[in-house]
Amino acid sequence: KAGVTQTPRYLIKTRGQQVTLSCSPISGHRSVSWYQQTPGQGLQFLFEYFSETQRNKGNFPGRFSGRQFSNSRSEMNVSTLELGDSALYLCASSYGRVLQETQYFGPGTRLLVL
Amino acid sequence: AQSVTQLDSQVPVFEEAPVELRCNYSSSVSVYLFWYVQYPNQGLQLLLKYLSGSTLVKSINGFEAEFNKSQTSFHLRKPSVHISDTAEYFCAVSDDGSNQGGKLIFGQGTELSVKP
Repeated sequence: KAGVTQTPRYLIKTRGQQVTLSCSPISGHRSVSWYQQTPGQGLQFLFEYFSETQRNKGNFPGRFSGRQFSNSRSEMNVSTLELGDSALYLCASSYGRVLQETQYFGPGTRLLVL
Repeated sequence: AQSVTQLDSQVPVFEEAPVELRCNYSSSVSVYLFWYVQYPNQGLQLLLKYLSGSTLVKSINGFEAEFNKSQTSFHLRKPSVHISDTAEYFCAVSDDGSNQGGKLIFGQGTELSVKP
């Protein structure tokens, strides 16, 4: 079974631009979560999607948004990029959204904002 | 609110020595605990998890962790480490107190460096 894939793997943007990151979950998985990883703040939860609905959201500004499609693929969008948005963005999938589920992580998209 | 504290940011150790990576959590409800490992330039991989039952859980590559409810800890141990264990290790918690399915709270990570 193929793992979680994320595209692109690397991205360079300038302040004020917007960016869209894509995540394809493991086949059959219905839940997709997004995390931001930075050296200063560590791993922080962004949001979770299940059956095309956002079920949970972390403490991030409204510039961060996402969506999930009927095939469970997910995208996250960051508008009006700031320098502090430079980070590794990780996507994770699981079969359901039960708390005990193992989340399988993709390799991440490394975003650099200049 | 839930929180996870990993007490050591870096742990250097010699090959074949034992190691313990410490993790404490705070939550007033039932919790589910996880250890994930991240190798350079890769995503996170699940190492082991505690859901219920036996408080000692083991991974296939020799790591084990013990859930201690009274001390709110979930320390990770390995009796003899290899160079290939060099990585960053993250402790994480989810709980069922607020219908927060799908959300993991992570510690700050512990960088394990195994030296020959």
